[in-house]
Amino acid sequence: DVKVTQSSRYLVKRTGEKVFLECVQDMDHENMFWYRQDPGLGLRLIYFSYDVKMKEKGDIPEGYSVSREKKERFSLILESASTNQTSMYLCASRLTDTQYFGPGTRLTVL
Amino acid sequence: QKEVEQNSGPLSVPEGAIASLNCTYSDRGSQSFFWYRQYSGKSPELIMSIYSNGDKEDGRFTAQLNKASQYVSLLIRDSQPSDSATYLCAVNALRGYNKLIFGAGTRLAVHP
Repeated sequence: DVKVTQSSRYLVKRTGEKVFLECVQDMDHENMFWYRQDPGLGLRLIYFSYDVKMKEKGDIPEGYSVSREKKERFSLILESASTNQTSMYLCASRLTDTQYFGPGTRLTVL
Repeated sequence: QKEVEQNSGPLSVPEGAIASLNCTYSDRGSQSFFWYRQYSGKSPELIMSIYSNGDKEDGRFTAQLNKASQYVSLLIRDSQPSDSATYLCAVNALRGYNKLIFGAGTRLAVHP
């Protein structure tokens, strides 16, 4: 079974803090993705990576950056957290067509 | 027009009935189609994929694809209360690097 893990299920941060969300997959997948999911807006792609050290902007990259130093790990960074970044963050990894999601991190920015 | 459209619901069906979930997409060249189920507070899980026109059955689930009409559907037979969830339709984007485009999801409620 594919396993995608995320570092935290729940996280509470203060405005202006730097926030790191970690994602690890154990299936040697090339492609990894970060989404945020908000009520009424569905899943929105923030960034994705198709190889180590490679990254591409998704639909809503503003206020975020990413890092992929190793194939199994894809990190999402909020440089200076703001209240409008309160959301559910979902990491996914993919080989060919099948995409698997991690359990999600519910981030609250106060 | 959204790239992948779904009726947000809720779709309410009685236990034992057939639930029919629909999805339309805008990119005529799309080749791969997926249905994910998402329980409240959980992450999406893949339940079906379909690549060719016609029907694909897996247990109580049947995915139907009509590329000419740019339409994909999911039928759930003998619906159970445990099927109550949001169902997300996803389509493989031709542009860019192998990205999935998700619909906003249809909420299904199966009542006893």
